[in-house]
Amino acid sequence: AQSVTQLGSHVSVSEGALVLLRCNYSSSVPPYLFWYVQYPNQGLQLLLKYTSAATLVKGINGFEAEFKKSETSFHLTKPSAHMSDAAEYFCAVSENQGGKLIFGQGTELSVKP
Amino acid sequence: SAVISQKPSRDICQRGTSLTIQCQVDSQVTMMFWYRQQPGQSLTLIATANQGSEATYESGFVIDKFPISRPNLTFSTLTVSNMSPEDSSIYLCSVGASGAYEQYFGPGTRLTVT
Repeated sequence: AQSVTQLGSHVSVSEGALVLLRCNYSSSVPPYLFWYVQYPNQGLQLLLKYTSAATLVKGINGFEAEFKKSETSFHLTKPSAHMSDAAEYFCAVSENQGGKLIFGQGTELSVKP
Repeated sequence: SAVISQKPSRDICQRGTSLTIQCQVDSQVTMMFWYRQQPGQSLTLIATANQGSEATYESGFVIDKFPISRPNLTFSTLTVSNMSPEDSSIYLCSVGASGAYEQYFGPGTRLTVT
């Protein structure tokens, strides 16, 4: 069965600092992996996706993530945090193209001025 | 990508009543899904809405409580029946476009049951 674990329910960084949000997955088949962002009182927006092509994936707003099969990880990074990055971030896994998503618990990112 | 709208955006309902949430997509899509996000929690899939057949429910969710309709490739409804305060959540629909790996989400319906 698939599962996703996000380490740290809350991460706080200073503006301009590195953002690192951790995600580990479990899947019996090669997974499709996603990061979504949810701003307050809004739906989910896709940041980036891994679909078995390049292991380093670049997304919107300067975010990127690296798929590491040996570590079953898909951590999200951004070199320099901006105040507008403050939001809830969800990692998700799917075993089928366009199929149901299993979400991690979410990580709330705070950015201090 | 797809543009998805949901109605209502929020509602406050009394226990024992039912609410139907609508999800409209601006293009025909194969897959439509309904998720629940309880306060401070992550998203949990309720069911996959299949066009022309019954929805496929996840463990812990039943048709009597969450009946779903999918009359065509651009529209679906989710009904939350006989509501209790534990049903207070955000309900989101999502779609998987043909050939796409990802899902696109609607803005959600914030339901409060008193």
